[in-house]
Amino acid sequence: QKEVEQDPGPLSVPEGAIVSLNCTYSNSAFQYFMWYRQYSRKGPELLMYTYSSGNKEDGRFTAQVDKSSKYISLFIRDSQPSDSATYLCAMSEWSGGGADGLTFGKGTHLIIQP
Amino acid sequence: DAGITQSPRYKITETGRQVTLMCHQTWSHSYMFWYRQDLGHGLRLIYYSAAADITDKGEVPDGYVVSRSKTENFPLTLESATRSQTSVYFCASSVKTSGSGEQYFGPGTRLTVT
Repeated sequence: QKEVEQDPGPLSVPEGAIVSLNCTYSNSAFQYFMWYRQYSRKGPELLMYTYSSGNKEDGRFTAQVDKSSKYISLFIRDSQPSDSATYLCAMSEWSGGGADGLTFGKGTHLIIQP
Repeated sequence: DAGITQSPRYKITETGRQVTLMCHQTWSHSYMFWYRQDLGHGLRLIYYSAAADITDKGEVPDGYVVSRSKTENFPLTLESATRSQTSVYFCASSVKTSGSGEQYFGPGTRLTVT
């Protein structure tokens, strides 16, 4: 089973707030975890990429992975109206020489109010 | 640096017609993918390719055909379009040799089947 659960929102917060976006999953074989940002009528854009458990920070964005709980998070600090978009989590297994693509959550629609 | 381009960006076709969606990448990535994105389902993998002349089915391959004669091109053909294939189609490529790592997406093709 490769189900990934993600609250679709919309999530509306005021400018400057800290945003927390989350995904849960059931497949313990997932090892690669990604967050994508998708603006309306655009392709998904890779934001963060992590392998296994732990934290990764990039500017205002922090990704956390807790494999024991099968739970991943994306935090956005000092949120800006330009952060308004749909955020997709994605994950994959290590499959040796092959690949089966990414399994995506359905996305959370985030609105940052000026 | 063009990255991944898709054409056409918008297409309207009739039920039963054959339609080909084009995908071209300039990075020489080994792995390429086709996804469809629908409300309520998120992104789902249709087909992927590990290299030229190597393709494999994803989660929702029925009604679609792919080919990959050159590394940079990965066309997707709907042999006999149905209304259920109305969707937004995204092509992606992966920089990792395993294909399990981060993927980079094109801008999408919005297909309507009437």
